This record gives sequence, C-alpha cells and structure tokens, in this order.
Amino acid sequence: QVQLQESGPGLVKPSGTLSLTCAVSGGSISSSNWWSWVRQPPGKGLEWIGEIYHSGSTNYNPSLKSRVTISVDKSKNQFSLKLSSVTAADTAVYYCARDQGAAGTRVYYFDYWGQGTLVTVSS
Amino acid sequence: SSELTQDPAVSVALGQTVRITCQGDSLRSYYASWYQQKPGQAPVLVIYGKNNRPSGIPDRFSGSSSGNTASLTITGAQAEDEADYYCNSRDSSGNHRGVFGGGTKLTVL
Repeated sequence: QVQLQESGPGLVKPSGTLSLTCAVSGGSISSSNWWSWVRQPPGKGLEWIGEIYHSGSTNYNPSLKSRVTISVDKSKNQFSLKLSSVTAADTAVYYCARDQGAAGTRVYYFDYWGQGTLVTVSS
Repeated sequence: SSELTQDPAVSVALGQTVRITCQGDSLRSYYASWYQQKPGQAPVLVIYGKNNRPSGIPDRFSGSSSGNTASLTITGAQAEDEADYYCNSRDSSGNHRGVFGGGTKLTVL
C-alpha cells in the first residue's frame, strides 16, 4: 500500500518561498508514475500545481509556472515543491498525489493522496 | 477549452439515484476521474477510466461519458455519500496540465 506524507512549514511570510516535501513509502518513486502537487484554498476547490517524473521531467500549471519548482530525490524516495513570491492567495491545504495513466491513453487519475498540510501565508 | 464545469450543488433523497455531471472539451480526449471529499479529509478516488472503481468503493458508484460530458451516478444514495465531488482530467490543448472541476456539494436528504 503506497503512502504519501507531506511535510514542511505551516507558516510562510508574504514574498517568501513555500517549501514542502512529500515522502513516499510502500512503493518506489522510480516507478512508471508521475507525482503531483495539488492545493485547496480554504473553502474552495482543488487546483493542480504540477507534476514530476523520476527522470526529473516536469509539467506545471501555466498559471503558477513562473513561481513553481518541483524536484525529485530518488535516494530519499521523495519529491518536493517550492513556490516563490507567495501571497495570502497561496494559503491552502497542499496535497501530494500519485498519478496514473500512460501517455497516449485516455486514462488519467490520482490513486494515492497524502493527508494534506495547511500552509498559511501571513506576516 | 481547458476548464471543467460542475453544478455547485445537488441534492438527493436517501435511497434515490443522483447524477453529478462534468463538462469540458478535454473530456473528448480523456476519461474523467471522480473524487469524493469529506470535510477535513483528503480526496478519495471513486471512479476512473471508462467506469472503474478502486477496491473498497461501493458498486452504487458508477461513471459514464458522452461527448464532452462525464457523469458520476450514485444509485441508492446513502447518508455517508454526502460530500463534495470533483471531476478531473488532463487539458487536451497539449500543455499536459491537470484540470479539476469546481466541485459539486452533494446533500443527502
């Protein structure tokens, strides 16, 4: 059973950088899966942030692309999110998740999710 | 278009059938996946692919698709099905972006 666990500071100052890590257990980050970050502002819907493959290839949400960096550490079986120049609008619960769906198919979904971590942007 | 549209709220009487819909151009290229989210909890996958349920998801949940519209049907809704439901697919415009619908709040009366 794959498990994902987010970790990182719960409070970030405006204009600072949000940094989170997702530790993967029960499976290898080098499997044939992409790994994603998704966020949810309080009382609002889900927003896909971006994804990474174990090779280091990434895809980002165009609306966040200029501020987002997702990286992978295969030796620690984890991947990370950095979001720069944060504002109050970046306050949200941040989830990491495992993607499923081979390229060229119509299938795409997230089968495993972390429990989420609330990050508040405030001075 | 890269957006997915859902009705904000739907209600159903206990034991009755309810359909939650999701519309978007990307659904012509990708199957929608559906997630149930209860307050304070992470989303849970309930339907993926053409009409597949992960292990542990009751068979009262089913999915279908036609053109640019995907549907999640709950046949015989239970009180524990009251939750927010989100659809998801990939943007079909080529930028590989994941896309979520705005969510549907399901109330079981």
